[in-house]
Amino acid sequence: DIVMTQSPDSLAVSLGERATINCKSSQSVLYRSNNKNYLGWYQQKPGQPPKLLIYWASTRESGVPDRFSGSGSGTDFTLTISSLQAEDVAVYSCQQYYSTPFTFGPGTKVDIK
Amino acid sequence: EVQLVESGGGLVQPGGSLRLSCVASGFTFSDHYMDWVRQAPGKGLEWVGRSRNKANSYTTEYAASVKGRFTISRDDSKNSLYLQMNSLKTEDTAVYYCAREVSAILSNDAFDIWGQGTMVTVSS
Repeated sequence: DIVMTQSPDSLAVSLGERATINCKSSQSVLYRSNNKNYLGWYQQKPGQPPKLLIYWASTRESGVPDRFSGSGSGTDFTLTISSLQAEDVAVYSCQQYYSTPFTFGPGTKVDIK
Repeated sequence: EVQLVESGGGLVQPGGSLRLSCVASGFTFSDHYMDWVRQAPGKGLEWVGRSRNKANSYTTEYAASVKGRFTISRDDSKNSLYLQMNSLKTEDTAVYYCAREVSAILSNDAFDIWGQGTMVTVSS
C-alpha cells in the first residue's frame, strides 16, 4: 500500500498570509505513460464532507478560488493557499489514486493566527 | 443538481449487519466508478472500496480491513450504490461517505462529488 504523510500536522497563519502544506507518498504516484500524478487535495470543514480542491496534483477543480494551488511530482507535493481567508479554516488532506487501496494523508489543520 | 445522498446508518451491535444506500442524482450514474470512504470520529479518511461501472463489469475492490465482511453493489436503474456490512466490529464505527470518481473514462480518478455521510456506530 502507498503510505501518505503530511506536514505539518497543523499550522496557524495570519489572514492574507501564505499557508503551505506538504504531502509525501511512499512511492511515486506519477504514471509515466500519461505523465500524470495521481494526487488530489481535499478540504474538509467540521461536520461537512471533503471537498475536492486539486486533482492531477496541480489542476484546480471548477469553482475553487485561484488562491489554492498544487505543485509537485513523483513523491513530493505541496498545497499552497496564497492569501489565507477566514473561510479557509479547515483540515486539508492529500490522496493518492494511483493504485488501490486508495490512501489519504492524515490531514493538516489550518487555523487563523 | 449533482448530488449523492446516503442513508441506512445507525447503531448496531458487534457482529451485526447493516446496509447503507447512496442515491445519486444530476449525473449519469451508470457511467462512473463509485467509492465508499469512511471517517472514524476525530480521525482521517479511509477508503473502503469501489464499484467499477458496467463497461468494466461492475467489478469491486476493497480495503484489507473490510474485505470478506463488506460487499459493494449497485443498481444503475435506481441510480444507487450499496454497502452491505456484515460481522461489524467496534472499529467500523465511522461516518460513511459515498463518492464519485471524476472521470467516466479513466481507470482511477479523484473523488469530485461526496455525499453528506451516514453515521454507523458499532457498540454493545
